[in-house]
Amino acid sequence: ETGVTQTPRHLVMGMTNKKSLKCEQHLGHNAMYWYKQSAKKPLELMFVYSLEERVENNSVPSRFSPECPNSSHLFLHLHTLQPEDSALYLCASSQGWTGFTEAFFGQGTRLTVV
Amino acid sequence: SQQGEEDPQALSIQEGENATMNCSYKTSINNLQWYRQNSGRGLVHLILIRSNEREKHSGRLRVTLDTSKKSSSLLITASRAADTASYFCATDAYDYKLSFGAGTTVTVRA
Repeated sequence: ETGVTQTPRHLVMGMTNKKSLKCEQHLGHNAMYWYKQSAKKPLELMFVYSLEERVENNSVPSRFSPECPNSSHLFLHLHTLQPEDSALYLCASSQGWTGFTEAFFGQGTRLTVV
Repeated sequence: SQQGEEDPQALSIQEGENATMNCSYKTSINNLQWYRQNSGRGLVHLILIRSNEREKHSGRLRVTLDTSKKSSSLLITASRAADTASYFCATDAYDYKLSFGAGTTVTVRA
């Protein structure tokens, strides 16, 4: 275990559903990230939170809504998703920017949109 | 945007052999990192090499960095079945956040 826990591990949702992904880190890190991993594609950085403030939003559609209530928790709220949103969603944390330090990843949530 | 690109896309080797994979990147970096991902799971950090370093070792891993060629290599010596995974290089682009390649899938045959 890396100290970053994601729940649920698997999620199947219809296009009209609303669901949330949860990420929790017990490492005392001050930055948290959401990445999307689709088959055969590089990881896509979606959102970055530093000290609970969103500092990055990589042109992600509004049907994805992040929330960071404190430095240990990160959520990704999902609504009216499309089948192409099916992917592995990875949460990560780091102490400082990941460019200078290693990132610790959770096990991911495998999302299937039907 | 994608910064690093791994080569080859896939690699199959016999247990006990060495595995080498390469990463090329486009812009200047402060450091380069390698990660491993077992099937459908999260990424695990393997090694970080700074731009002023040329070589780094960690157990059976050896990483080299050539900033003049904008490339890095990861060597896994004496491979084991447990080394079967996807390997990613990641670089810090101009905005200091990690940018990953699409990865090299390594299969170690018993």
